[in-house]
Amino acid sequence: DAGVTQSPTHLIKTRGQQVTLRCSPKSGHDTVSWYQQALGQGPQFIFQYYEEEERQRGNFPDRFSGHQFPNYSSELNVNALLLGDSALYLCASSFNGQGSYEQYFGPGTRLTVT
Amino acid sequence: DAKTTQPPSMDCAEGRAANLPCNHSTISGNEYVYWYRQIHSQGPQYIIHGLKNNETNEMASLIITEDRKSSTLILPHATLRDTAVYYCIVRDNAGNMLTFGGGTRLMVKP
Repeated sequence: DAGVTQSPTHLIKTRGQQVTLRCSPKSGHDTVSWYQQALGQGPQFIFQYYEEEERQRGNFPDRFSGHQFPNYSSELNVNALLLGDSALYLCASSFNGQGSYEQYFGPGTRLTVT
Repeated sequence: DAKTTQPPSMDCAEGRAANLPCNHSTISGNEYVYWYRQIHSQGPQYIIHGLKNNETNEMASLIITEDRKSSTLILPHATLRDTAVYYCIVRDNAGNMLTFGGGTRLMVKP
């Protein structure tokens, strides 16, 4: 059973550029959440997608946007990159049925902005 | 803001039980206690969760006090591979976001 997968593993971009990160959820999961983790800190919630719509959003600017596809996979887009956007970006999937909604995380994409 | 308080770091001898405390004095009646851990440079890993009863799985045990204001995660026989940052999180069961605090950095030593 494949877990949550993310691509690419690492990425280097220049200030002002745009980036797209991708996530495939665990089999049977229909909800995808994105988190940003700066070095030495805990993950911070960016947003969550369910039924191809943004269901909940954290305290991140509009430069951060996302999309969910009919197969439940998801993309995170960041425009006008800043040095401060350098971080580990984590995707987590869960099932929106009855139950306890535990989220399963992927290995993350390490983004470096220079 | 995180609703939990954890010690920033702890040490444990290999083979001994690791007991990681968490305070969540403002927990609401419909909120669960979740534990995740993050091994260096990897994504967080779900460990266990509970509402008010003690829970056990193949990874750990979760002991929640009767007033639900605190809990303890127990790794019964810690190994070097259990060295990680452990996060205690309180959230409702609506499937929404996880709010991570600083966590406890557990160092298992030979």
